[in-house]
Amino acid sequence: AQSVAQPEDQVNVAEGNPLTVKCTYSVSGNPYLFWYVQYPNRGLQFLLKYITGDNLVKGSYGFEAEFNKSQTSFHLKKPSALVSDSALYFCAVRLYNKLIFGAGTRLAVHP
Amino acid sequence: DTAVSQTPKYLVTQMGNDKSIKCEQNLGHDTMYWYKQDSKKFLKIMFSYNNKELIINETVPNRFSPKSPDKAHLNLHINSLELGDSAVYFCASSHDWSGAQETQYFGPGTRLLVL
Repeated sequence: AQSVAQPEDQVNVAEGNPLTVKCTYSVSGNPYLFWYVQYPNRGLQFLLKYITGDNLVKGSYGFEAEFNKSQTSFHLKKPSALVSDSALYFCAVRLYNKLIFGAGTRLAVHP
Repeated sequence: DTAVSQTPKYLVTQMGNDKSIKCEQNLGHDTMYWYKQDSKKFLKIMFSYNNKELIINETVPNRFSPKSPDKAHLNLHINSLELGDSAVYFCASSHDWSGAQETQYFGPGTRLLVL
């Protein structure tokens, strides 16, 4: 079955430090992977996606994600975290025309 | 300007009532979706419509009935509301349903509380 795992409930990082939010996937066939962010009391905002091509995908707000087929991972990264990056991050895999979401990882960036 | 909009933003109601949530997108997309986010923030798809036709129904109780009057609107009607229906309901849309690379764009959510 297609699934996505986000092994960390919460990630804490100091402002200015690099951040990584982890995601692993289990799919049959080619994976189509997405990252979304949810700010408090807001809807989900699309950050980036991997369909094919370069393993390093660049997205909104300075975020990027690295697709690693051998490790079945699609970790979200940012070189320098901002306090305003604090939010709930969801990894998702597309199955037919629906998104299967991970459980979400709360990112807390401390000043 | 809002691409995907939902009304109402908040909905507080009593058990047993019937309520509707409306969704509209101005992106010109053909496909629309309803997702449910539970109290633990877990997101799961409920329905998907393509050009007013139902294409996904994820074993949702038949108290939930989506209606798509045109491809820009997908409303969700819920009969006989139960406590467990309390959640945030998100509407989303995408250009079409068949392309795996299609990005889904989400509305701001409707927070439903059943008392």
